[in-house]
Amino acid sequence: RKEVEQDPGPFNVPEGATVAFNCTYSNSASQSFFWYRQDCRKEPKLLMSVYSSGNEDGRFTAQLNRASQYISLLIRDSKLSDSATYLCVVNREGYSTLTFGKGTMLLVSP
Amino acid sequence: ETGVTQTPRHLVMGMTNKKSLKCEQHLGHNAMYWYKQSAKKPLELMFVYNFKEQTENNSVPSRFSPECPNSSHLFLHLHTLQPEDSALYLCASSPPADTGELFFGEGSRLTVL
Repeated sequence: RKEVEQDPGPFNVPEGATVAFNCTYSNSASQSFFWYRQDCRKEPKLLMSVYSSGNEDGRFTAQLNRASQYISLLIRDSKLSDSATYLCVVNREGYSTLTFGKGTMLLVSP
Repeated sequence: ETGVTQTPRHLVMGMTNKKSLKCEQHLGHNAMYWYKQSAKKPLELMFVYNFKEQTENNSVPSRFSPECPNSSHLFLHLHTLQPEDSALYLCASSPPADTGELFFGEGSRLTVL
């Protein structure tokens, strides 16, 4: 089983749609969780951290289920500018390195 | 944005060439990383340096040789590469506090002929 697995995508949605990305991780020792965003031919950038209680940042909501080792990202009211690849990332306590998923591409069309 | 700068942005080399990738960060971070990004694969961690000391080498072939002369500069020396080494090589840095945020450079796209 891969360390971090994501929906293969791509997701094609119209503007204004709600879209959800799923991610599972295999190492139960994972302690920190993040979503990164990578625009086409650009570097990855941190989108948001994921907290146990769930957290929201504007149109973006991240949730964590430790029992199922599952992370999600919900994007409401999609904009054209949301088109990018979304990377699920986990970190183990005491380790300074992050493990990335392959990413799920989102294409938002007019 | 000039936080993490990588040069060159594009590089084409033959299998017998020797070349180097350079990374420079102006963020005052203490940790620097090399990642490899190939098509349809997740980012692969190659090397980690913390306060100039290599703390992780993720089973990378010896044809890739990192060098970290100080906390702001990181090099990746390339020698006798293979075509399958063609990829985007991303440098990143992170602050002392373990926030999980990596600051990436724009990458060096390498093509090995």
